[in-house]
Amino acid sequence: SQQGEEDPQALSIQEGENATMNCSYKTSINNLQWYRQNSGRGLVHLILIRSNEREKHSGRLRVTLDTSKKSSSLLITASRAADTASYFCATSLTYKYIFGTGTRLKVLA
Amino acid sequence: DAGVIQSPRHEVTEMGQEVTLRCKPISGHNSLFWYRQTMMRGLELLIYFNNNVPIDDSGMPEDRFSAKMPNASFSTLKIQPSEPRDSAVYFCASSSWTVLSSYNEQFFGPGTRLTVL
Repeated sequence: SQQGEEDPQALSIQEGENATMNCSYKTSINNLQWYRQNSGRGLVHLILIRSNEREKHSGRLRVTLDTSKKSSSLLITASRAADTASYFCATSLTYKYIFGTGTRLKVLA
Repeated sequence: DAGVIQSPRHEVTEMGQEVTLRCKPISGHNSLFWYRQTMMRGLELLIYFNNNVPIDDSGMPEDRFSAKMPNASFSTLKIQPSEPRDSAVYFCASSSWTVLSSYNEQFFGPGTRLTVL
């Protein structure tokens, strides 16, 4: 399977703590994106990092990319209850996006 | 813009019946994707259209599945006949993608939850 894998599969933290999720993939990529999915909803794009970038920030989100290890991490700082969702990485070389298996994040108030 | 619109949101049908899922992409987007999401297999790409033309249908599971995009603002995914193992959430997503500007996010619809009894 070319599908990426997120680690951990599930994560439970207290509000205010940081949450870190990791993504590993298998093929060459053009870019890597992170998406959030709230229960019963569609996926929402969070952030995109290009293959020639190593780190990117957007608000409370920080994404790193290590193409030599074929891995990426998503850090959510100062988590809130509203961050409770599933998070997916998606890798792309052309038009096709390969989605990972997702990390279920639960932020306890 | 209203975003990607899918209908119906929920569909319950009996095995053997025909099911048609509908999608209206975001205006101006040239790429449309149909995905299927299940607990076991995650999010799978079924078919990809670019400028209304099917480019990649390698993810369509069987001949029972077919998809069309008659114009830039409408696409359908049909399952005939449906089977219980087709039960899943089906998502439509659209984006603006070209070879020269390949760094584009996908915009997902709310999905159709299909249950085949």
